[in-house]
Amino acid sequence: QKEVEQDPGPLSVPEGAIVSLNCTYSNSAFQYFMWYRQYSRKGPELLMYTYSSGNKEDGRFTAQVDKSSKYISLFIRDSQPSDSATYLCAMIPRAGNTPLVFGKGTRLSVIA
Amino acid sequence: DAGVTQSPTHLIKTRGQQVTLRCSPKSGHDTVSWYQQALGQGPQFIFQYYEEEERQRGNFPDRFSGHQFPNYSSELNVNALLLGDSALYLCASSLVSGETDTQYFGPGTRLTVL
Repeated sequence: QKEVEQDPGPLSVPEGAIVSLNCTYSNSAFQYFMWYRQYSRKGPELLMYTYSSGNKEDGRFTAQVDKSSKYISLFIRDSQPSDSATYLCAMIPRAGNTPLVFGKGTRLSVIA
Repeated sequence: DAGVTQSPTHLIKTRGQQVTLRCSPKSGHDTVSWYQQALGQGPQFIFQYYEEEERQRGNFPDRFSGHQFPNYSSELNVNALLLGDSALYLCASSLVSGETDTQYFGPGTRLTVL
């Protein structure tokens, strides 16, 4: 079993839809959780960074962490064609330049 | 403010050859991490350099080596290339003493081994 599991998709939605992206993990030591967006042939770009359980909102993006279920989610409201990318979840057990552990990424297409 | 830069953008090599990839960190950053991203996979941590020393290493063979220079830039060297080394190689920089440890990624170098 991989440390971080993420459905690779692809996921295709119409413009304006609410998108839900998810990851599960097996290592209960993970404390910090991130979502990166990666456009084709580009490097990952940090979208959201959360610590422990709870919600964090930033514009159209909401990150949720449920440590009891070892489950994290990223919600995108009012999705736009420019949101079409691969979304990677990542997590670390502690702060301080700890190597990121990534999921496989979910490829999202938002159709106009 | 320049972000993380990597060179070259693309590279084609044959099995058994050696390759060197280069990375310049974001201005003000002192730590460089290297990741390998195979097609359809998430990035996998190779190693991290700080103060010109390898500080942490992932599960990669000794064929993978690196270096960090006094100006914080870094190189990744891969010897005796295998077909399976074909991937996008990502460099990420961060500041060890910063308020956050956010890692900023470069655009990557796409290596193809034939």
